Amino acid sequence: KAGVTQTPRYLIKTRGQQVTLSCSPISGHRSVSWYQQTPGQGLQFLFEYFSETQRNKGNFPGRFSGRQFSNSRSEMNVSTLELGDSALYLCASSFNAGNEQFFGPGTRLTVL
Amino acid sequence: AQSVTQPDIHITVSEGASLELRCNYSYGATPYLFWYVQSPGQGLQLLLKYFSGDTLVQGIKGFEAEFKRSQSSFNLRKPSVHWSDAAEYFCAVDPNYGGSQGNLIFGKGTKLSVKP
Repeated sequence: KAGVTQTPRYLIKTRGQQVTLSCSPISGHRSVSWYQQTPGQGLQFLFEYFSETQRNKGNFPGRFSGRQFSNSRSEMNVSTLELGDSALYLCASSFNAGNEQFFGPGTRLTVL
Repeated sequence: AQSVTQPDIHITVSEGASLELRCNYSYGATPYLFWYVQSPGQGLQLLLKYFSGDTLVQGIKGFEAEFKRSQSSFNLRKPSVHWSDAAEYFCAVDPNYGGSQGNLIFGKGTKLSVKP
């Protein structure tokens, strides 16, 4: 069974731009969570989607948004990028929230 | 506030030596508990999990963890470390006892270095 895939793996943007990251969960998994990982703040929860609905959201500004499609694939979008948005963005899937999460390799975003 | 604490930022052990990584959580009751490992440039891999029952849980790669309610701890152990175990280890908590909506809370991580 293929694991969680994330595209792109690396991304360089400049301040003020927007970016879209993609996540394909493990086949059959309906819950997708997104996390931001930085050296200073560690791993922080962004949001979780299940059956195309956002069920939970972390403490991030509205510039961070996401969506989930009917095939469970998910995207997250960051608008008006700031230098502090440079991070590794990790996607995790699970059959349902409350089950263990399986993580993708992440997308490394660098904002210049 | 709910939190997960990994007191050791960096640990160095010799290959073949035993290992214990500490994790403490602060919650009102027993949450679901996890240990993940992250190799450089990679995502997180689940080592083991505790939901309920036997307080000593076995995981992959020869790791085990023991849940101690009285100490609010969930320490990770391995009897003999291999050079390939060098990585960063994260303790995580599902604070919603399985009713979670995806938001694991992670400790800051412990980086493990292995001396030959």
